[in-house]
Amino acid sequence: GAVVSQHPSRVICKSGTSVKIECRSLDFQATTMFWYRQFPKQSLMLMATSNEGSKATYEQGVEKDKFLINHASLTLSTLTVTSAHPEDSSFYICSAKVPGTNTEAFFGQGTRLTVV
Amino acid sequence: QQPVQSPQAVILREGEDAVINCSSSKALYSVHWYRQKHGEAPVFLMILLKGGEQMRHEKISASFNEKKQQSSLYLTASQLSYSGTYFCGTPPNPTDSWGKLQFGAGTQVVVTP
Repeated sequence: GAVVSQHPSRVICKSGTSVKIECRSLDFQATTMFWYRQFPKQSLMLMATSNEGSKATYEQGVEKDKFLINHASLTLSTLTVTSAHPEDSSFYICSAKVPGTNTEAFFGQGTRLTVV
Repeated sequence: QQPVQSPQAVILREGEDAVINCSSSKALYSVHWYRQKHGEAPVFLMILLKGGEQMRHEKISASFNEKKQQSSLYLTASQLSYSGTYFCGTPPNPTDSWGKLQFGAGTQVVVTP
């Protein structure tokens, strides 16, 4: 199947700093990618839809100024957590679907963010 | 609307069977089943599109009822590798990409020797 790669897999940052997470589609072009957040022992919650060449679409309750999304190329979307606080500590996962196909979405391996 | 999953957790011995349910008060456009192991990305199992459909992935199968309001995942003759958290997901709107999913709360499955 298609491959979606996330980087870094783990990151620890100090409160008040910003952290960038990358999501790459390795063997296909993804005009759209999706960002999820997962707290311990909870479900995956969709945060936003990342659109190549245009603004991201955020789900209700997700602060767009806090979670900056940039989709500058057909294979890369980035999520920047700005002015991170301990409550932002979570597992962030991206996904993408091969365009024009009737196939499933592929998930990146996730990024464990810990804000201290 | 987030689909409702049950049970929250199930513990079974190797070789036993289990059923996980995913339901909604309105018809679902499609149901996507994933399994996630701790600290890892969800892994796709299968998609159900049509009412009455049944799908299979190795010894795991799933069904979608005629009204498309409930899907069940059947773990048959469970193996240790089946341990993990199972999620059902569904697109919020019929035109949404299958990458955009609303997931149920998850069912934690523990298979013991």
